[in-house]
Amino acid sequence: DGGITQSPKYLFRKEGQNVTLSCEQNLNHDAMYWYRQDPGQGLRLIYYSQIVNDFQKGDIAEGYSVSREKKESFPLTVTSAQKNPTAFYLCASSKQGANYEQYFGPGTRLTVT
Amino acid sequence: KQEVTQIPAALSVPEGENLVLNCSFTDSAIYNLQWFRQDPGKGLTSLLLIQSSQREQTSGRLNASLDKSSGRSTLYIAASQPGDSATYLCAVPGQGNTPLVFGKGTRLSVIA
Repeated sequence: DGGITQSPKYLFRKEGQNVTLSCEQNLNHDAMYWYRQDPGQGLRLIYYSQIVNDFQKGDIAEGYSVSREKKESFPLTVTSAQKNPTAFYLCASSKQGANYEQYFGPGTRLTVT
Repeated sequence: KQEVTQIPAALSVPEGENLVLNCSFTDSAIYNLQWFRQDPGKGLTSLLLIQSSQREQTSGRLNASLDKSSGRSTLYIAASQPGDSATYLCAVPGQGNTPLVFGKGTRLSVIA
C-alpha cells in the first residue's frame, strides 16, 4: 500500500533532549512537509522540501532542523532550543509542490516534560 | 499574504440533515483548493481537490464548490451521519507554489 508513515505514534522526552521524528513515504513524491498542530491554532508549517538535498524554513522553523538525503525520507529533529515542543506533529507529501494534492501521515504526538 | 478563514468554528446537527461548511481566502489567484477531514488524534485525510478551472467537485455525499472571484468555497454534506463527525479543513497553495495555507477548521458533530 502506498502512503506516509510516521513513527513513533507517541513520544515522550525530558526537557533539554533532542528528539528525531521519522517520516517515510512510498508515493514517489518530490515534495515533503512538516507541520505542527496545537489546539486552537490550526496547522503551522515548520519546514518543507521540494527536492532531495534542499529544504526551506516555514513559519515556525526556530528550534527545529531537518534533512532530506533520500526522496522517501524527511526526518524532523526537535532540538532543546524549541521552547514549547509538546505538540502533535504531522508530515505530508505531494507530487511536485503545493499545486498538487497533498497527503498526510498519521502524526506523532510529542510530550516533553 | 494568503489567509484562509473557516466559518463556523463548530457546528452540531441532527443526523440526516444536509449542511454546508464555508471557507474563504483572501488572494483569489489560487491554483486549486483542497478539503480535508481530521478525526481526533489522527492525520488529515484528503476529501476533495478542486482545480481553479472547476466550479464543483463531487465525491459520494460530498460536494465542493469554488468561486475564485469571490474567494469562497463551500463543502456540502448531504444526509449527514454520526460517522461524519470530525474536523473539516480547507487549504489553498500559497503564492508561487509555496506550501498550503490552512484554515483553522470547522468541528462538526452529527447527533444520532
